[in-house]
Amino acid sequence: ETGVTQSPTHLIKTRGQQVTLRCSSQSGHNTVSWYQQALGQGPQFIFQYYREEENGRGNFPPRFSGLQFPNYSSELNVNALELDDSALYLCASSLAGRQEYFGPGTRLTVT
Amino acid sequence: QQQVKQSPQSLIVQKGGISIINCAYENTAFDYFPWYQQFPGKGPALLIAIRPDVSEKKEGRFTISFNKSAKQFSLHIMDSQPGDSATYFCAAGRATGTASKLTFGTGTRLQVTL
Repeated sequence: ETGVTQSPTHLIKTRGQQVTLRCSSQSGHNTVSWYQQALGQGPQFIFQYYREEENGRGNFPPRFSGLQFPNYSSELNVNALELDDSALYLCASSLAGRQEYFGPGTRLTVT
Repeated sequence: QQQVKQSPQSLIVQKGGISIINCAYENTAFDYFPWYQQFPGKGPALLIAIRPDVSEKKEGRFTISFNKSAKQFSLHIMDSQPGDSATYFCAAGRATGTASKLTFGTGTRLQVTL
C-alpha cells in the first residue's frame, strides 16, 4: 500500500452536476498528478500540480480543474458532468515528478 | 508521438510458467519506463521501472528488458503464480523535470492457472 489516500471511494452524480475529489499525497512528496481511467483502459493524464501550481495538462477540457494546497494535498473538480466522465479517478504523488505512486482511486458514476 | 502500444491484450499462463508482456513507444524523449500492476477495484501499484541507460533490470521474479534502438521494452514474470493474476500496464515518461506525465499502454490482463 502506498501512502496516497483518496476520498470518497465511490460517488454517484447526475449529469450537469459538479464534483470534487480529494487526494492526500505520500509523506515527503511535493507533486500530485491526476489520471482518469475508463473501464478496461489505461489511465489518461489529466494534469499535474507541483508546489501549488499547475505543471502540465493532458487533453481534458477546462471544466476539469484542480488545486494543490500548501501541505501538498490536492483536489480535482469537474463541472457540468457528462456521462462519459464516469471513470476511476486516480491521484498519484511523487517527489518532483519522479516515480509516481497511485492512490486507490475514486469511482465516479454519472447518471 | 505520445502513444505506447502494449500487447497482448490478454494472456493465460500456467502456474510456474513465464509471462511476457511487450510494449513499444514512439517518443524518443521518454527516459523512464515503469510497469504497474493493478487488481480489480484498486489503483495501479508500481512494480519495477527502468531507465534507457540499461538493457535489463531484475527485481525478484520480475525482469524488464529494454531495447532502445527498437524503442521496445518488455516485462517478464518468471515462475508465474495465481496471485500474479491482474492487469499489467506499461508506461513511459520523463524522469527529470516536473511535468513528467506518464503515458500508459492499454493494459494486459494476465490470468495464471493452476
